[in-house]
This record gives sequence, C-alpha cells and structure tokens, in this order.
Amino acid sequence: AQTVTQSQPEMSVQEAETVTLSCTYDTSENNYYLFWYKQPPSRQMILVIRQEAYKQQNATENRFSVNFQKAAKSFSLKISDSQLGDTAMYFCAFKSVGGKSTFGDGTTLTVKP
Amino acid sequence: AAGVIQSPRHLIKEKRETATLKCYPIPRHDTVYWYQQGPGQDPQFLISFYEKMQSDKGSIPDRFSAQQFSDYHSELNMSSLELGDSALYFCASRRGLAGYNEQFFGPGTRLTVL
Repeated sequence: AQTVTQSQPEMSVQEAETVTLSCTYDTSENNYYLFWYKQPPSRQMILVIRQEAYKQQNATENRFSVNFQKAAKSFSLKISDSQLGDTAMYFCAFKSVGGKSTFGDGTTLTVKP
Repeated sequence: AAGVIQSPRHLIKEKRETATLKCYPIPRHDTVYWYQQGPGQDPQFLISFYEKMQSDKGSIPDRFSAQQFSDYHSELNMSSLELGDSALYFCASRRGLAGYNEQFFGPGTRLTVL
C-alpha cells in the first residue's frame, strides 16, 4: 500500500515571500502520479499541480513549482510570491496508474499580510 | 466547462437514519471515486466504479453501499448513520482507468449526523 507523509501540519509565510511544503511517499511502483491539491475554507478540492513519475523535469504552474526527487520519494511544493488567496490546506496525493488517490494529512498554510 | 456535480450539498440526518448522496460525473467520464473527509482529516478513499462495476474498495463501512448507473452517475447509500459519519463526502470522476487522467473533484456533500 502507498503512504503519503506531510510532516508540516502548519506553516505560515509573509505575503510576497516564498514557502516550501514538504511531502514524502512510499511505493513499490515505478510509474505513478503525484499531485498537490489546495483546499480553501470552502473545502472544494482544487488541483494545483501534477507530476508524472516518469518525467524528470519538475512541473511548474505559474507561481507553483515542485521539486520531485524520485529516488528519495520526495515531492515538495514551492509557492513563490505568496498571496493572501493562497491561504488554505494543501494536500499531497499519490495516484497509481488507473487507481485511487492516497492523500497526506495536509498542511495548513497561512499567508500573512 | 462542466464539472462534477454532487447533491445535496448539505444534509442533516439523525442517528440511525439513512442518507443517499448523488454524484454526476463530468460528461464522458466513466470512472467515479468516493472519498470521506472527516473534520481536520485528509480525504479517505471509500470506493470507486468503472463502467458501472466496482473497481476498487477502500475503507467503506459495511453500512454503506454504492453503485454506478447506466448514465454513469453514482449514488452512495448510507444506513444506520452514526455520529462519526459526519464528514464531507467528495466524489471525483475521470475518464478511463489506464493512463494519465487526473481526477476532478466535486464540491462535496457535507453530512451532519445529529
């Protein structure tokens, strides 16, 4: 079974600064997908960024980028130029090909003005 | 673009009652997943369906059952509700099982059991 670990229950960052959320996972599979989801107070699950395990290049979506270290099974999320609207719970998720998603416990990020 | 629709958005029930949650996937999506997210917890996978057949099963209690219909919508039936069933229930849909297709989440149904 796959496991996903987010070791930072809570984090805070000043507006316009950069913050990195950590995520590690455990799997015996070679091909899989990794996601970061954002869950604002409305509790809607919003996909932030995704990474295919077979791709070495780190995914980037505007202010969001990941540091994917396959050998270390690490998948951290970097948010640059943090904005107040980034305040939310962030979940790291592992998904096997065709399978369900396994979520980490989440990291509550607060962006301070 | 069309998104995953869940109904109702909010539901209040009493202990030992039954509840039915509905999920309407994005058009042409044939795979549906159900997740349960308790207060302050991460989403936990319950069950999934592909082409109207159960494709995977997670931590779904025996009191719950689910099915996917011919139009690909899915219903989660919950009986003998307990206080601990109070949670946000997400439905997600995707197209097919193989390959890289992300799950699209619905807005969730918030179930409160009194």
